[in-house]
Amino acid sequence: QVQLQESGPGLVKASQTLSLTCTVSGGSISSESYYWSWIRQPAGKGLEWIGRIYSTGSPTTYNPSLQSRVAISVDTSKNQFSLRLSSVTAADTAVYYCARVPRSPEHCSSTSCYTFDSWGQGTLVTVSS
Amino acid sequence: DIQMTQSPSSVSASVGDRVTITCRASQDISSWLAWYQQKPGKAPKLLIYAASSLQSGVPSRFSGSGSGTDFTLTISSLQPEDFATYYCQQADSFPPVFGPGTKVDFK
Repeated sequence: QVQLQESGPGLVKASQTLSLTCTVSGGSISSESYYWSWIRQPAGKGLEWIGRIYSTGSPTTYNPSLQSRVAISVDTSKNQFSLRLSSVTAADTAVYYCARVPRSPEHCSSTSCYTFDSWGQGTLVTVSS
Repeated sequence: DIQMTQSPSSVSASVGDRVTITCRASQDISSWLAWYQQKPGKAPKLLIYAASSLQSGVPSRFSGSGSGTDFTLTISSLQPEDFATYYCQQADSFPPVFGPGTKVDFK
């Protein structure tokens, strides 16, 4: 059974870059059957999708609300994918989750795939001033 | 972006109760809706995908229905482990958007 685990600094200074890594175990990140995604959740609030990547590194899609500041990359040799969010502010303080996105027909609409079937435990990132 | 709303925002219920949560999309998303359960301090867990398909390992007391813009999640007989917050999410088009959540707590 696949497991996802987020890692990275829990504290980032305002205006700097947040960097997180998701390590996938129990399955290959190179599988053609999945995309890999980041989602975040501010304390006491709802869920916000950040972006998604395929194992080849393309295509990569980002939430338009964050697109100018976000980059997601993949390292198949380490079975990991990563998130970078630049110019952070207090509004970026949240629990960050990585998640798996199946590419099977039963999970995908005619235009894309956005169902999150496995999640990491989440990691809290606090932006300090 | 497609907007998602949920009602009620919270519901108080007892063990054994039938609980129904409603989700509405701002435009037609066909059957491309997912439901997640989240317990405090834990990651969301996929319960239902494609509006009515039960995710592997999820108890059959959970069911989903609907299409177009209106959807429901039903818990047929609430169990102690079901007290949590439930989120719907449109999976039809870019970008995916989650509903604001419905908290199910003890009456």
